[in-house]
Amino acid sequence: AQSVTQLDSQVPVFEEAPVELRCNYSSSVSVYLFWYVQYPNQGLQLLLKYLSGSTLVESINGFEAEFNKSQTSFHLRKPSVHISDTAEYFCAVTSRTSYDKVIFGPGTSLSVIP
Amino acid sequence: NAGVTQTPKFQVLKTGQSMTLQCAQDMNHNSMYWYRQDPGMGLRLIYYSASEGTTDKGEVPNGYNVSRLNKREFSLRLESAAPSQTSVYFCASTDRVYEQYFGPGTRLTVT
Repeated sequence: AQSVTQLDSQVPVFEEAPVELRCNYSSSVSVYLFWYVQYPNQGLQLLLKYLSGSTLVESINGFEAEFNKSQTSFHLRKPSVHISDTAEYFCAVTSRTSYDKVIFGPGTSLSVIP
Repeated sequence: NAGVTQTPKFQVLKTGQSMTLQCAQDMNHNSMYWYRQDPGMGLRLIYYSASEGTTDKGEVPNGYNVSRLNKREFSLRLESAAPSQTSVYFCASTDRVYEQYFGPGTRLTVT
């Protein structure tokens, strides 16, 4: 069975500071990994994904995540956050053999302080 | 394109009442999903439908039923609502590259 752990439920950070949101997963098979973002009172939307190839993936708004197979991690980073990045962030995993089912982590609430 | 739409946006039910949450997508996706979101628990899959005419149970199916009416529509029914079903419900659909597209959600309160 697959599972996703997000160690930090809340992360406060000052504007323009760097941030890392941690995600670890467990799976006995090869995986696809995702980060979704949820802004207040909205549904989730895809931020970035790792399917194959380069282990470093980037989003259009400056976030990046690195797939580390040996540490079973997919941490999300941004070198300088903005107020508009305040949101809930969910790490998610699915397997290459069961791609119809996606397992979500409990979420990390990022609060950017002016 | 409207993407994924859900109705209603808000609903208050009394224990024992029934209701149906509606979901529709206009992206021609085969797979559709119903999730519930509770604080500190992320999203939990209730039911999903890999294609028109098929449905499968997810992690937390008890107390719910679903209908895949056609390729566009996937409804979730609560036959006898309970306070434990107070939650935010999200419908989603997916394409072949595994990205899930979510609706805006339905906030349900059962008193």
